[in-house]
Amino acid sequence: GEDVEQSLFLSVREGDSSVINCTYTDSSSTYLYWYKQEPGAGLQLLTYIFSNMDMKQDQRLTVLLNKKDKHLSLRIADTQTGDSAIYFCAESRTSGSARQLTFGSGTQLTVLP
Amino acid sequence: DAGVIQSPRHEVTEMGQEVTLRCKPISGHDYLFWYRQTMMRGLELLIYFNNNVPIDDSGMPEDRFSAKMPNASFSTLKIQPSEPRDSAVYFCASRLDRGTYNEQFFGPGTRLTVL
Repeated sequence: GEDVEQSLFLSVREGDSSVINCTYTDSSSTYLYWYKQEPGAGLQLLTYIFSNMDMKQDQRLTVLLNKKDKHLSLRIADTQTGDSAIYFCAESRTSGSARQLTFGSGTQLTVLP
Repeated sequence: DAGVIQSPRHEVTEMGQEVTLRCKPISGHDYLFWYRQTMMRGLELLIYFNNNVPIDDSGMPEDRFSAKMPNASFSTLKIQPSEPRDSAVYFCASRLDRGTYNEQFFGPGTRLTVL
């Protein structure tokens, strides 16, 4: 298929870990991205991973990449209420003369107190 | 830098009216993107510009939509005539091509409601 796919909703308890999953289609994507959208705001780059890496850790965030299965995941440790947002997975695809981002549908993360 | 600036933040109009959305990218950025976000379709790329030149407008839904970038610091997205199904949040984003990873900076969006 053509889509970057994500589950639509995830709920976790404060203090637990959150894992958001994504499957993508373009095996030639050089970078894969996670963007965060807070209510009423635009998207912000949260983290990215280069395609020759399996894992990237940045404080509470861990990105895992399985190139064989075209599967990307974002783990948030010790999830806080401030982490409640929509998380978008994105891959680079050729569009016109350059590679641009194609976003998944977004996963709404709700953190319960 | 103030980031990507969009105006208006909210627009309510009646079907058939012309709507113009405005965007000021981050100074020095050479790419500008227009996206539309709806519950049904998620985030869709409408068009993007490189150095003020439209590169790919294949995402523009139909001829009622047009976009211009007369200079490096300003772009417009126009809908004429508007229809209720155009109701969405429209985002502008910009980036600087450094040849590495692709970070786009998004504006706060314009929430358009067509009655």
